[in-house]
Amino acid sequence: AAGVIQSPRHLIKEKRETATLKCYPIPRHDTVYWYQQGPGQDPQFLISFYEKMQSDKGSIPDRFSAQQFSDYHSELNMSSLELGDSALYFCASSGRTEAFFGQGTRLTVV
Amino acid sequence: GDSVTQMEGPVTLSEEAFLTINCTYTATGYPSLFWYVQYPGEGLQLLLKATKADDKGSNKGFEATYRKETTSFHLEKGSVQVSDSAVYFCALSDTGGFKTIFGAGTRLFVKA
Repeated sequence: AAGVIQSPRHLIKEKRETATLKCYPIPRHDTVYWYQQGPGQDPQFLISFYEKMQSDKGSIPDRFSAQQFSDYHSELNMSSLELGDSALYFCASSGRTEAFFGQGTRLTVV
Repeated sequence: GDSVTQMEGPVTLSEEAFLTINCTYTATGYPSLFWYVQYPGEGLQLLLKATKADDKGSNKGFEATYRKETTSFHLEKGSVQVSDSAVYFCALSDTGGFKTIFGAGTRLFVKA
């Protein structure tokens, strides 16, 4: 069965650079969530989209932005990267039941 | 706001021991409750879920019962295996389904 696809799987960026993470939800899922998981931490909710509109917002820094496109894929844009942004970024999708998570993108800021 | 509290880890058990990981929640409305598992180096996977009071979710020998009166969803397994070593997250999904809130995670180590 199709799962949530995230790309890239690994990303290394320097401080103050920009990064774009992509998420492709399970077909026919209309809701996408983004989570940030720091080393040894629980996943922290960043933002979610329902039918291409932002539906909820968590602890997402102003330096980050996200959107959901007409094909329901989503992109998380991160600017002015800081060392503390190094984390595993999960995307999840749902169709009104449980969330299905992607494998995550591991971002390392050096 | 909604929140999830689960027991701190790490939990270290010998193979075939009984496992309980406590989870309690606060929420308005009628949330769905979940346990997710994260194996080393992997993403989060749904382990089991319950969508209403008194429902019991079960999978791979793990069980959890949605207790509205005690606002709890404790995870149990009668006999753990080394392969169960992972981090376990209790979570709830708000009534609208727009957000899943996670507990802090409990790391389980199972020794042979």
